[in-house]
Amino acid sequence: DTGVSQDPRHKITKRGQNVTFRCDPISEHNRLYWYRQTLGQGPEFLTYFQNEAQLEKSRLLSDRFSAERPKGSFSTLEIQRTEQGDSAMYLCASSLGGTASRWYGYTFGSGTRLTVV
Amino acid sequence: TQLLEQSPQFLSIQEGENLTVYCNSSSVFSSLQWYRQEPGEGPVLLVTVVTGGEVKKLKRLTFQFGDARKDSSLHITAAQPGDTGLYLCASGGGADGLTFGKGTHLIIQP
Repeated sequence: DTGVSQDPRHKITKRGQNVTFRCDPISEHNRLYWYRQTLGQGPEFLTYFQNEAQLEKSRLLSDRFSAERPKGSFSTLEIQRTEQGDSAMYLCASSLGGTASRWYGYTFGSGTRLTVV
Repeated sequence: TQLLEQSPQFLSIQEGENLTVYCNSSSVFSSLQWYRQEPGEGPVLLVTVVTGGEVKKLKRLTFQFGDARKDSSLHITAAQPGDTGLYLCASGGGADGLTFGKGTHLIIQP
């Protein structure tokens, strides 16, 4: 297992288009998180899955954002009708469950850099 | 959601110097994590502190957790250019996700 993989690394899209990002977590990790990071800021929590269940989605930025983890393995984050303000780095992370995440932390992918023109 | 304040926001020093960066909150941390992030990459966990007054060392990095568990510091001895990066503190987790501070941008000049 080579860690958390995200695809693509970079995406340039025109305003109004839909985009989808993929995240493949560490196989032993049952928890998966999506974050957004804008320039000069720390990562901002968006949503959380435990296995295939999306247990927190109220922090998604608008109803244009949605995420899935259909079989409890990989996850996708979709942004519909992109806006220039959506330009950011989108990070995926995975972790073990319970108190293990407290000690071993989250393992982050390298992120997808989205630019909306 | 717990708010984490990090200071300084930016720090640029010469190789070989020592430095300290800080993470503070108005409420008690159950635990605190420090991450380091390089440009174009995701954050990487450095350490987790849990017990008030705890001190952990990672080579030239020393992490302290305040007695009241409301603050933490990261001290780097004899900084090297490879220490350059964004240092983030984070707390929380589970369904609420980790909450991150805005980070300290550290540049070590050769």
